[in-house]
Amino acid sequence: GNSVTQMEGPVTLSEEAFLTINCTYTATGYPSLFWYVQYPGEGLQLLLKATKADDKGSNKGFEATYRKETTSFHLEKGSVQVSDSAVYFCALIESNYQLIWGAGTKLIIKP
Amino acid sequence: EPEVTQTPSHQVTQMGQEVILRCVPISNHLYFYWYRQILGQKVEFLVSFYNNEISEKSEIFDDQFSVERPDGSNFTLKIRSTKLEDSAMYFCASRELDSRVYEQYFGPGTRLTVT
Repeated sequence: GNSVTQMEGPVTLSEEAFLTINCTYTATGYPSLFWYVQYPGEGLQLLLKATKADDKGSNKGFEATYRKETTSFHLEKGSVQVSDSAVYFCALIESNYQLIWGAGTKLIIKP
Repeated sequence: EPEVTQTPSHQVTQMGQEVILRCVPISNHLYFYWYRQILGQKVEFLVSFYNNEISEKSEIFDDQFSVERPDGSNFTLKIRSTKLEDSAMYFCASRELDSRVYEQYFGPGTRLTVT
């Protein structure tokens, strides 16, 4: 079945460091891919998405490129801030519109 | 900006009691979803709902669970007889009818604690 695998956290970085959170997926068809973010005490917010191979999603300085050949959708940011501290979830949707989630990666940014 | 709302934000209940979690989806959305997240674990799909009926449900969504759209705005999740393992964060989501639009918009969640 479909699944999403994310790197385990927590990931701890200093402010202005480069961020990569790895995400790979298994799907039978051609899914759309998403990154959601959950700030402390809040709900799930869509961060970015990509709906087909080679698409790049971007938002708030974060980017992720849909790589069909490696079945990956890694999240990157060039310079993180303390306010980026949150849990990041990679997810996919196939034709049934049901979101399949990764386990989440907690990101801690230290000043 | 329109948003999905959920009430209550936190519900504490005793094992065996019935609970109803409420959601108000974005007004022009026609697909509705419930997900749950047990503390420290991944988010899990429970059920999707369209045109006043369940579209899909997961193995988690057994006979203890039911969903309803009692009026034009609310979308509810009922747990008939709560168990300790039902303690989780429950998220409601909605999306547009347009099949090209995949985005699901999430509410802030209801934290259910079963004691």
